This record gives sequence, C-alpha cells and structure tokens, in this order.
Amino acid sequence: DAGITQSPRYKITETGRQVTLMCHQTWSHSYMFWYRQDLGHGLRLIYYSAAADITDKGEVPDGYVVSRSKTENFPLTLESATRSQTSVYFCASSGTSGGALYFGPGTRLLVL
Amino acid sequence: SQQGEEDPQALSIQEGENATMNCSYKTSINNLQWYRQNSGRGLVHLILIRSNEREKHSGRLRVTLDTSKKSSSLLITASRAADTASYFCATVPSSGGYQKVTFGTGTKLQVIP
Repeated sequence: DAGITQSPRYKITETGRQVTLMCHQTWSHSYMFWYRQDLGHGLRLIYYSAAADITDKGEVPDGYVVSRSKTENFPLTLESATRSQTSVYFCASSGTSGGALYFGPGTRLLVL
Repeated sequence: SQQGEEDPQALSIQEGENATMNCSYKTSINNLQWYRQNSGRGLVHLILIRSNEREKHSGRLRVTLDTSKKSSSLLITASRAADTASYFCATVPSSGGYQKVTFGTGTKLQVIP
C-alpha cells in the first residue's frame, strides 16, 4: 500500500537498550520528520530531513540519532533508552517545503 | 518550547453547534496549518493558511489568521459526532528553515450526538 508506514507499532524495552524505530514512505517526498507526543506537551519535533543525507535537529534531539541514506526511509534510533523517552513517536513526510505533513500511524514506545 | 498554544484545551458541544478553537504563536510565520487527530491515530492535515491570507474556507472549516496578533482560529460549522477529535495548529517559520514545523498542545473537541 502506498503511504507512510511505521514499525514496530508497539515496543517495550528496558532502560539502556538501543531501539530503532522505522519509517518508510512511498511518495518519494523530500522532507521527513520525527515527532514525539506526550500528554501536556503536544507534538515536539525531534529531527527532520530535507533530503537523503541531509538531517537537522529539532526541538528535542538529545538521546536520538537519525539517518537518511535513502529518500524513502528515515529511521530513528534511541542510543540508550531512558524512561523519559516513553512516548508515542510519529513520523511524517512532506512533498513541499513548508507544505502539509502526512503522518504515519505512530509507534508507542514504553521504556521500563 | 511550543510555538503554538491552543485555546481552549477542551471543548464539549452538541451536534449541530459550531466549534471555535484558537491558536496563538510566538514568532513570524510563513504559514499556519491545522490538523486533526482521532484517538490513537496519526494527525491528518486539514487546511493551510499563508501569512498573507486572512481567511480561508474548506467545506465546513473556516480558518482566520491575524499576523499582527499572532493568532489563528479554526471554526467548524454544524458539527457532527465524527468531528470528535483533537485539533492542533502548526506553524512554519518565515526564517531559519521551513522544515522546523512546530505544533501546539491541541484542543480536544467532543461533539455530543
């Protein structure tokens, strides 16, 4: 199916473990984004990418790493998970700079 | 820090009534967007209004933008139970990169049948 997908949809991990959240889009959109959503904070931008091999920090990048070797994929890695990273993570893409974002279904991450 | 702040945080209305949500932001923008999120799902883009526009319509949605007050409002007319969702405004900055799209904390709308 075309669109934007995230995997896994649910993940439970332990403090200190490395976790990678996957994001894949089939539209060949240039721009991709990672947000986290927490009660009381709305959505906060973690990282974004304007093209393959071009990434930049958002509002809350500490503890996260991204890469974008292919236009369609934008994985997010938590290098050493902490409880404060328990959240719902949304990936999004956009075909135009400053245009509408198209969101994936989200990954619910629980760090014990 | 959040760029946008929505008001009210929660809103409960009867089906058929109009719902108005407000968004205030802090810095200069290129455009402002509104999104809807149904419980547990990803956000869906509703409408985009550019900084040189004052009002925009899409179906039952009307968005206004006042750049002098750094505020926007979303009006949903003749609400339906299916409009029950959270609504977020998002701002695209006028400088420093159009990709730094930041969201507010949202308004939770409940439409009672």
